[in-house]
Amino acid sequence: GAVVSQHPSWVICKSGTSVKIECRSLDFQATTMFWYRQFPKQSLMLMATSNEGSKATYEQGVEKDKFLINHASLTLSTLTVTSAHPEDSSFYICSARLTSTDTQYFGPGTRLTVL
Amino acid sequence: GESVGLHLPTLSVQEGDNSIINCAYSNSASDYFIWYKQESGKGPQFIIDIRSNMDKRQGQRVTVLLNKTVKHLSLQIAATQPGDSAVYFCAENIGDSGNKLVFGAGTILRVKS
Repeated sequence: GAVVSQHPSWVICKSGTSVKIECRSLDFQATTMFWYRQFPKQSLMLMATSNEGSKATYEQGVEKDKFLINHASLTLSTLTVTSAHPEDSSFYICSARLTSTDTQYFGPGTRLTVL
Repeated sequence: GESVGLHLPTLSVQEGDNSIINCAYSNSASDYFIWYKQESGKGPQFIIDIRSNMDKRQGQRVTVLLNKTVKHLSLQIAATQPGDSAVYFCAENIGDSGNKLVFGAGTILRVKS
């Protein structure tokens, strides 16, 4: 149980284009999902908290207009990286919080490479 | 700011031995702690958790110990296997911050056959 999927698993795009990443909780409903970014050999850094039916809460230093988050249902949150640039290349990981235990279960991650 | 940190960035153990990964935390408001395992190119995988009203919790081959007095958390892996090789992160759930997780820096566990 508590499986989270992400799509795509990797994406390569040109600078200036937008990329959408989907995060789905497959066997449970999640009112809260989280988006993290991880650079090589570093820990996970929380970007934003995605709340179903309301606006996302962004961490300090994360541009909300650049990283658009939509949490339209209890099983799906999307992260759109707008006007991507090479410095946005990273490993993006989402998690979904199981309300009954507060445990966050993570997706497999999406490797974004911006050329 | 407050953070979660790890004492040992890399731990090498012989297959079959026990492994102990340590973690220090500094936020007294943390009420829930989780250990995750991350293999290369994958997302973190839940291993075991413990709440602040407990000091020990056991799973299959893993045990988590919590010492609130010194704000210390440890993960013990019994009979370490090659498949245990990964990066291990401790994370603290700060209850009064919207249940956000703060991750430690990570410890690389290498299992030698």
